[in-house]
Amino acid sequence: AQSVSQHNHHVILSEAASLELGCNYSYGGTVNLFWYVQYPGQHLQLLLKYFSGDPLVKGIKGFEAEFIKSKFSFNLRKPSVQWSDTAEYFCAVSSGTYKYIFGTGTRLKVLA
Amino acid sequence: NAGVTQTPKFQVLKTGQSMTLQCAQDMNHEYMSWYRQDPGMGLRLIHYSVGAGITDQGEVPNGYNVSRSTTEDFPLRLLSAAPSQTSVYFCASNAGGPEAFFGQGTRLTVV
Repeated sequence: AQSVSQHNHHVILSEAASLELGCNYSYGGTVNLFWYVQYPGQHLQLLLKYFSGDPLVKGIKGFEAEFIKSKFSFNLRKPSVQWSDTAEYFCAVSSGTYKYIFGTGTRLKVLA
Repeated sequence: NAGVTQTPKFQVLKTGQSMTLQCAQDMNHEYMSWYRQDPGMGLRLIHYSVGAGITDQGEVPNGYNVSRSTTEDFPLRLLSAAPSQTSVYFCASNAGGPEAFFGQGTRLTVV
């Protein structure tokens, strides 16, 4: 069965620090990979997605992620976080057209 | 273009009550699904539909019913609410491609 693991449940950073959130998945076939962000009290928003092609994907708000097939990983990065990046981040995998498997989420708190 | 609309946004139920969470999309998407979000567990798939008249169970279907009489609507029914169903519920739709569009969520509390 597919699964998604997010290694860090809680991360606290100071503004301007660099961010890397880990995401590993287990599935042997072709996958589509996503990172979603959920700001406090709001719904899920798509940060970035990977379907195929260049494994380094750039998303909104300065986020990027790298797909490493050999490691089954899709880590999220941002060179310099801002207070407004405080949110919960979810990695998700889809191998088909409508079923998503989500990780358990990482709560990021950025200190001003 | 409203996208995926969920109603209500907040609801408090007593144990044993029934209710329906509404989900509507105006993008003519074939695929719709319901997820629940619980702390430390991410989002888990409850039920999904691949088109009008076709539904199937996801990972956590117990206690929930769905139907899909039209392309636009995919309501989620709780027949007899239990405290374990306290959660945030998200509806999603997609057009058959890998990217889903999520509604704003319904926060349900069962007391």
